[in-house]
Amino acid sequence: NAGVMQNPRHLVRRRGQEARLRCSPMKGHSHVYWYRQLPEEGLKFMVYLQKENIIDESGMPKERFSAEFPKEGPSILRIQQVVRGDSAAYFCASSQGASAFFGQGTRLTVV
Amino acid sequence: AQTVTQSQPEMSVQEAETVTLSCTYDTSESNYYLFWYKQPPSRQMILVIRQEAYKQQNATENRFSVNFQKAAKSFSLKISDSQLGDTAMYFCAFMKPITSGTYKYIFGTGTRLKVLA
Repeated sequence: NAGVMQNPRHLVRRRGQEARLRCSPMKGHSHVYWYRQLPEEGLKFMVYLQKENIIDESGMPKERFSAEFPKEGPSILRIQQVVRGDSAAYFCASSQGASAFFGQGTRLTVV
Repeated sequence: AQTVTQSQPEMSVQEAETVTLSCTYDTSESNYYLFWYKQPPSRQMILVIRQEAYKQQNATENRFSVNFQKAAKSFSLKISDSQLGDTAMYFCAFMKPITSGTYKYIFGTGTRLKVLA
């Protein structure tokens, strides 16, 4: 039973480009959480999704950021027109019940 | 609003010794869960231990145990016989059900633990 899979592990984008981060939850999990982690800081909640439904997006910036979790396929976190301040590690966690398991994260670098 | 506080940004411990990491939280909920996650230099977030609020017995997982004080809203992690591989960032997390089948997680800011040889 594979764990939570995130890809790519590392992503470099120029300012103004789009970044797409993917998260495949553990088998049988229908809940996905996205978090952002800046260097030497903790995890900041961004968005919580179930299949085809956004449960809580209170931590996600209103501009440029969007997330989806379609019926089939991975969850996608999309950042449009990236800026240097978007550089961070982005973690996805999946759950089916009261424990969340994390992927290895995607490190986004905006140059 | 729920908050999770880890008041120790950094700690160190000698190999084979015992160390306790502190965590306090604030909530008016009665039904919730608490977790400790470990993030080693590889950045992988690893679930270390979980405690259900309705259980009085403290959770234990090998060398890791918690001291859960519900009235004081305290949830400390004790690591016994510390090993070099325990060097990591440790995050305390609070989780509560939002609706039936959905949950909200809140994380503390972390404690960086260094185990010294």
